[in-house]
Amino acid sequence: DSGVTQTPKHLITATGQRVTLRCSPRSGDLSVYWYQQSLDQGLQFLIQYYNGEERAKGNILERFSAQQFPDLHSELNLSSLELGDSALYFCASSVIGRRGTDTQYFGPGTRLTVL
Amino acid sequence: ILNVEQSPQSLHVQEGDSTNFTCSFPSSNFYALHWYRWETAKSPEALFVMTLNGDEKKKGRISATLNTKEGYSYLYIKGSQPEDSATYLCAFKGYSTLTFGKGTMLLVSP
Repeated sequence: DSGVTQTPKHLITATGQRVTLRCSPRSGDLSVYWYQQSLDQGLQFLIQYYNGEERAKGNILERFSAQQFPDLHSELNLSSLELGDSALYFCASSVIGRRGTDTQYFGPGTRLTVL
Repeated sequence: ILNVEQSPQSLHVQEGDSTNFTCSFPSSNFYALHWYRWETAKSPEALFVMTLNGDEKKKGRISATLNTKEGYSYLYIKGSQPEDSATYLCAFKGYSTLTFGKGTMLLVSP
């Protein structure tokens, strides 16, 4: 158990809908990262937040957004969902994450299925 | 688009064999190279974070080396055990990116 929690574990929804994935980092970690893992692609970095502020952005679609709250939990919002958004979404956390040299601890993931 | 390549794609060895994998990455704008172990139905688990050219890290029977000038890292497993069966991922941290390789899938047979 990494200490990172993600809810829900599974989510099934329809195209065009909007969902919110939630992540609670390890106690004391200030950085939260979101990743997408789909069958045809490897693990893709989406976005990083550090202490409430966006720190780095990867291959995140405009239909997706994220935020980190004052209690450091983070939410990833996915809207206008398409079939291709079906994937496993991981959250990870690290202590600081300023230069990407911290060890990242991954949560168990949320499996999103868009029908 | 950054290229982070891992080879081989998959590997099947017998218990007790030693093995190694390669991760190739851009040699410019290097900040860190991460290695993860990812078992089926679980989440990636950090093995090493390497930041300096010539770094060598060790955790039990697993070790890794780093060459930032030529852009590669090796992961070694000595005396493989069935519980080492997993996908081993590397991730390159550059100036503003974090890019994962597709992984090397290791299967260790008893």
